[in-house]
Amino acid sequence: AQKVTQAQTEISVVEKEDVTLDCVYETRDTTYYLFWYKQPPSGELVFLIRRNSFDEQNEISGRYSWNFQKSTSSFNFTITASQVVDSAVYFCALSEESLRSGYSTLTFGKGTMLLVSP
Amino acid sequence: DSGVTQTPKHLITATGQRVTLRCSPRSGDLSVYWYQQSLDQGLQFLIHYYNGEERAKGNILERFSAQQFPDLHSELNLSSLELGDSALYFCASSKGSSGGFQETQYFGPGTRLLVL
Repeated sequence: AQKVTQAQTEISVVEKEDVTLDCVYETRDTTYYLFWYKQPPSGELVFLIRRNSFDEQNEISGRYSWNFQKSTSSFNFTITASQVVDSAVYFCALSEESLRSGYSTLTFGKGTMLLVSP
Repeated sequence: DSGVTQTPKHLITATGQRVTLRCSPRSGDLSVYWYQQSLDQGLQFLIHYYNGEERAKGNILERFSAQQFPDLHSELNLSSLELGDSALYFCASSKGSSGGFQETQYFGPGTRLLVL
């Protein structure tokens, strides 16, 4: 069984503050993939990043950065100098191979709603 | 824009009715996935098709069915609708070349279904 926990239901910050969204996962596999998606108020799901279980290097993309720590089963997401446009629900997701079918699906966390006020 | 299209954007219907949601994957993608997003259940995987064949099933009700056509578009059929079926239904696609768990899924804009 796989499970993704996003313990923060809602976070409110003021523009220009840094904010970190937590994601903790559970899996028995050694090979798996982790993802972050953004769901703005308009409703679509936007892919942000994919990380495999063998690559523990942190990644930075503009104001976004991700910290993957296998030892603590966490894949946290930090937004630096937040902006109002960052207001959205952010989902962490886990993908592992199904022994039964050889294929897999994404298991999503419940999401963290980020509200950035001016 | 992910390149995945879904129609219609909104659908309002009554209990007991049947509806069909349509999805066109990104150009070149062979895999199509369907998800349901509701307030109480969150984002739940329903079903996965690869090049016309069903590959995996998730928490899909027996009243729901799907198929993927030779042109790779997919349809999700929901029948005997209940109030609790009101949700946002997403379609996603991936290359599907390896059918794999390592692939990124790109999501469409969703169809918002309201059952009255």
